[in-house]
Amino acid sequence: DADVTQTPRNRITKTGKRIMLECSQTKGHDRMYWYRQDPGLGLQLIYYSFDVKDINKGEISDGYSVSRQAQAKFSLSLESAIPNQTALYFCATSARAGTEAFFGQGTRLTVV
Amino acid sequence: GENVEQHPSTLSVQEGDSAVIKCTYSDSASNYFPWYKQELGKRPQLIIDIRSNVGEKKDQRIAVTLNKTAKHFSLHITETQPEDSAVYFCAAGGSQGNLIFGKGTKLSVKP
Repeated sequence: DADVTQTPRNRITKTGKRIMLECSQTKGHDRMYWYRQDPGLGLQLIYYSFDVKDINKGEISDGYSVSRQAQAKFSLSLESAIPNQTALYFCATSARAGTEAFFGQGTRLTVV
Repeated sequence: GENVEQHPSTLSVQEGDSAVIKCTYSDSASNYFPWYKQELGKRPQLIIDIRSNVGEKKDQRIAVTLNKTAKHFSLHITETQPEDSAVYFCAAGGSQGNLIFGKGTKLSVKP
């Protein structure tokens, strides 16, 4: 089945380290998103991309950067991780505006 | 930018009762309103959605209503069952085509 795959699934890293979370999809969707989930705060949009040449900041982009390497790949980087970036991160894709977003399994990141 | 408010944050009902979750949005240009269910340890999954040209949509025990004038939309679950226990998120499709989510409602259905 076409899916959205995130790697790694779990990661523990130290404060100040650079870390990259990867997302790949086999759905053939142009639109890709990165969300952060904290308890009680819902899903907050970090960055989104509508095609390979399009990158947009979301609600909480500070401290994060992204790269859209291909239609199927969208990576999220933390240049210098800090403890309050400890969270569950989800990648999602959609075919176009106004259609269902499909989520990856999530990456649980812990910054110590 | 778009802002989505969701209430209540927690909801506890008895099995068989109805549950209602309400959301408001700020961007009058929003035209797509999905609802997602997230079971413990799982990814969010779409359960129902509605577009701005429709006032109500129903799928078995779940229904969504939309009031564009008031910028309100609601999820209604009837005849709740223990497997309905989960976190539910509303979202609004912004004018730029992104999706902004509410903070979620943790629904507990007691047998």
